[in-house]
Amino acid sequence: GAGVSQTPSNKVTEKGKYVELRCDPISGHTALYWYRQSLGQGPEFLIYFQGTGAADDSGLPNDRFFAVRPEGSVSTLKIQRTERGDSAMYLCASSFPEGNEQFFGPGTRLTVL
Amino acid sequence: EDQVTQSPEALRLQEGESSSLNCSYTVSGLRGLFWYRQDPGKGPEFLFTLYSAGEEKEKERLKATLTKKESFLHITAPKPEDSATYLCAVISNSGYALNFGKGTSLLVTP
Repeated sequence: GAGVSQTPSNKVTEKGKYVELRCDPISGHTALYWYRQSLGQGPEFLIYFQGTGAADDSGLPNDRFFAVRPEGSVSTLKIQRTERGDSAMYLCASSFPEGNEQFFGPGTRLTVL
Repeated sequence: EDQVTQSPEALRLQEGESSSLNCSYTVSGLRGLFWYRQDPGKGPEFLFTLYSAGEEKEKERLKATLTKKESFLHITAPKPEDSATYLCAVISNSGYALNFGKGTSLLVTP
């Protein structure tokens, strides 16, 4: 079956611009997660959705970052007033609610110039 | 605070030379320990979940084991296609987020 998909695969933007990153989870997975990975590091947790609501957003670094999942499926990570330090690989993962195995998408490489 | 430390940071093996990767962890109640493989520029690929000390899982040339303080990923007779970064992560009983180590970068040469 289809895995987690993320668009775009690459995004280049200028400092101060707004960006949206999209994640389409595996069909039937009600849990969705966003992570951020810098070069040479492991992924770091940003936010977790169970259904439509954000169950845990403790990993969001500041209020420039926001994520939604209005219909409990596709999710969008939104970053306002981008900074060069936001450059990273943004990863989305999904899982069954009762299962712990998270399956990752291919990621979106964000570059802020 | 949960912590995951992986060693070595990098490992170079000859094809067929078996070895082990280490993942040491501290967590306030372990929900599960996870191993992922990550190729350059791609998302992590799920390999194993381990839930309790003494548990072992195998897949092809890989075998993962778990104790109360660490996990090992044993690679038997590796091939060049096993070259990748191997990530270890834990989930504690208090949440659902994966807490990753920095990974071990494995290079297997012919």
